[in-house]
Amino acid sequence: AQSVTQLDSQVPVFEEAPVELRCNYSSSVSVYLFWYVQYPNQGLQLLLKYLSGSTLVKSINGFEAEFNKSQTSFHLRKPSVHISDTAEYFCAVTPYSSASKIIFGSGTRLSIRP
Amino acid sequence: GAVVSQHPSWVICKSGTSVKIECRSLDFQATTMFWYRQFPKQSLMLMATSNEGSKATYEQGVEKDKFLINHASLTLSTLTVTSAHPEDSSFYICSARVSGRNPDTQYFGPGTRLTVL
Repeated sequence: AQSVTQLDSQVPVFEEAPVELRCNYSSSVSVYLFWYVQYPNQGLQLLLKYLSGSTLVKSINGFEAEFNKSQTSFHLRKPSVHISDTAEYFCAVTPYSSASKIIFGSGTRLSIRP
Repeated sequence: GAVVSQHPSWVICKSGTSVKIECRSLDFQATTMFWYRQFPKQSLMLMATSNEGSKATYEQGVEKDKFLINHASLTLSTLTVTSAHPEDSSFYICSARVSGRNPDTQYFGPGTRLTVL
């Protein structure tokens, strides 16, 4: 079985400050890793994913996440946030053996203060 | 990108009534759709996998007679919560799968908030 832990339910930061949203997972099998974002009143959107290769993956809007196998972590970072980054962020995993099954973390609400 | 809609976005009903939630893929065909439930401050939990033209596959602990799923076309799946009770109050989210990739890509709807009084 797999599980995903997002320890921070809410993260308030000031605009232009850096941010890190933490994600740890537990799995007895190999998994793909994802970050999804949910803007207010919208569906979840895929932000970035780690499938294989380079452990550092980046999104088009400045977010990046690094897969750390030894620490079973996939933390999401951005060096300078904008008001428009205000959203709920979900970390998720999919086991190699069941590519349609997504196991989500409980989400982290990122709120940006001007 | 692919768009998935849900209707209604929110619904309030009395205990004992049934509620139907629709999930539509607007610009693509989805042979498989998924239904999730999210309680406050908790993860999205997969309830069932819905395949067009066949019976849905329910996750362990989900009552198939209470949560009726119909996937009659390649663009529409419905979830009916029968004889709803206050404990069924939750946020219900659907997704539609685009197959042919590994892993599959799922596109999510905006969710439906159900409140049972």
